[in-house]
Amino acid sequence: DAKTTQPPSMDCAEGRAANLPCNHSTISGNEYVYWYRQIHSQGPQYIIHGLKNNETNEMASLIITEDRKSSTLILPHATLRDTAVYYCIVEGSYGGSQGNLIFGKGTKLSVKP
Amino acid sequence: DAGITQSPRYKITETGRQVTLMCHQTWSHSYMFWYRQDLGHGLRLIYYSAAADITDKGEVPDGYVVSRSKTENFPLTLESATRSQTSVYFCASSESGTGDTGELFFGEGSRLTVL
Repeated sequence: DAKTTQPPSMDCAEGRAANLPCNHSTISGNEYVYWYRQIHSQGPQYIIHGLKNNETNEMASLIITEDRKSSTLILPHATLRDTAVYYCIVEGSYGGSQGNLIFGKGTKLSVKP
Repeated sequence: DAGITQSPRYKITETGRQVTLMCHQTWSHSYMFWYRQDLGHGLRLIYYSAAADITDKGEVPDGYVVSRSKTENFPLTLESATRSQTSVYFCASSESGTGDTGELFFGEGSRLTVL
């Protein structure tokens, strides 16, 4: 099972900030939080990732709480092209080997005019 | 062009037939992954590979076989296709797994229908 919990859907008005929450209460100290998105029928696209500190890039900002049990992805000025399913992922492992990402069901963000 | 490509993009086959989905990347990334995506399940990891000749099972490996004789290729074979393997398959690669190395690069997907 995915290690994260996200709302199944959210709406956002075009031009406004979209704030997508994610709970990961069982995250371990050395596990990263990743965000990906998937626009309909396309392969997932990397957005941002972080460990403890807040991160920002040209696409989004990632705010991680001090206890690391939750995070928020912020799209500062959402556009219609940001309509997609957004996945919050905590790095997982199988059989002791690391390097895998376990995708949950994500949040379907609908940006409306 | 540089990137990650999957073939075929669309495939229809019959139950019991062998099917191979190809994945090719031009970055010389060490890690490669195969995911399947079904309605209501999101993406689930089938197999991954940390380097040539090194592969390991993911969440849903049953019914699939992989090989990695060359760094750039990571084919996925369904030795005897079943209807439950009807899905969209995504291949991905990354420079050195996850951790602080950042992103996975995904292909455009291969849509497989098993009749």
